[in-house]
Amino acid sequence: DVKVTQSSRYLVKRTGEKVFLECVQDMDHENMFWYRQDPGLGLRLIYFSYDVKMKEKGDIPEGYSVSREKKERFSLILESASTNQTSMYLCASTSDRVPYEQYFGPGTRLTVT
Amino acid sequence: DAKTTQPNSMESNEEEPVHLPCNHSTISGTDYIHWYRQLPSQGPEYVIHGLTSNVNNRMASLAIAEDRKSSTLILHRATLRDAAVYYCILCKETSGSRLTFGEGTQLTVNP
Repeated sequence: DVKVTQSSRYLVKRTGEKVFLECVQDMDHENMFWYRQDPGLGLRLIYFSYDVKMKEKGDIPEGYSVSREKKERFSLILESASTNQTSMYLCASTSDRVPYEQYFGPGTRLTVT
Repeated sequence: DAKTTQPNSMESNEEEPVHLPCNHSTISGTDYIHWYRQLPSQGPEYVIHGLTSNVNNRMASLAIAEDRKSSTLILHRATLRDAAVYYCILCKETSGSRLTFGEGTQLTVNP
């Protein structure tokens, strides 16, 4: 069974804290993505990565950074969390062989107080 | 980027067919039509995709209009587990292609 896992289902952080969201896939996929999902706005792409140590900005990268040191792991970093970053964060991955099928993790509900 | 338009919500009865429409009048020749769905408290999952011809798989069928300006996702016999938000997305089939999710259609299945 293919699997994308995220480090936490629920997370509560304070304004100004540095936050790490971890995503791991066990399918040897080349491509990984971070989205956030908000009511009325749908899913929006934050960052993506085509390969280890490579990253590309998505539609809303401001306030976020990413790290991909190993193929299976893609981390989303909030350098200084703010209340407007309260959201559901979803990680996904695809392979180059089957690029149209993104596999999503269960999501992390982040609340910044 | 070409956009899609879907109804906000639809209702169906269990074991009846469901036709979920999607309009994409500005679709380009290289855009594939993808459908994903998101069950409650889960991440989205791939359902089906196509370019020009109708497509079938174990989950659903995809009917694409001849001019490609609209498509319909068909669930042949809806079950309660099919209650979800269904997203119609246009995407170029290249490695690592980005998906732009709209608001989708909330499907309610009545027992």
